Amino acid sequence: QSVLTQPPSVSGAPGQRVTISCTGSSSNIGADYDVHWYQLLPGTAPKLLIYGDSNRPSGVPDRFSGSKSGTSASLAIAGLQAEDEAYFYCQSYDISLSGWVFGGGTKLTVL
Amino acid sequence: QVLLQESGPGLLKPSQTLSLFCTVSGGSISTSTYHWNWIRQPAGKALEWIGRFHISGRTNYNLSLRSRVTISLDTSRRQFSLSLTSVTVADTAVYYCARSGMIDGAPSNAFDIWGQGTLVSVSA
Repeated sequence: QSVLTQPPSVSGAPGQRVTISCTGSSSNIGADYDVHWYQLLPGTAPKLLIYGDSNRPSGVPDRFSGSKSGTSASLAIAGLQAEDEAYFYCQSYDISLSGWVFGGGTKLTVL
Repeated sequence: QVLLQESGPGLLKPSQTLSLFCTVSGGSISTSTYHWNWIRQPAGKALEWIGRFHISGRTNYNLSLRSRVTISLDTSRRQFSLSLTSVTVADTAVYYCARSGMIDGAPSNAFDIWGQGTLVSVSA
């Protein structure tokens, strides 16, 4: 069981907007540690999508956005495209574990 | 463009020591700007941060693995390595190396560059 909780799956049609939640606790997200989001495709290097709660690295489309409130964070993907189909993971720091922790991952299906 | 590439044996027996290497190309491994990390993902499970190394010699390890893990740097070979002792079937996973420290000029602990990963299987 992961320290950060994500829904196992989400889906949406092309062009739609989906959100993926990441719920933590007072020892990680709730302690205001940064939340980062990654996209994983089988056989490829994981890709950083969002860092520091809501910042996009250079080259990441503005269709991807992040937010944080209290002990939870969210990743929103607007204008869904077929190539967005992948697994998404949130990550933060946990003070009680003295290390970085990940969510369980969410599979995005583009219908 | 900085690239990371993992290498090492793909099959181990229980109780053996796992040794993996990550070669850094396109940038310096000796810079104090970055930490060099290992992360793994067992099949069907979540990512798990293993630990990290900084050029200062400082290391940080996942508390659950700390007694079995060593991460070190070989600047002459532009590599950092992972050693995990006394492996069991539970250590079967895809192992990734990754960089953290700065993104777009701002300090960050996010993992901005990853290797493609290497599968390590532990089986009798």
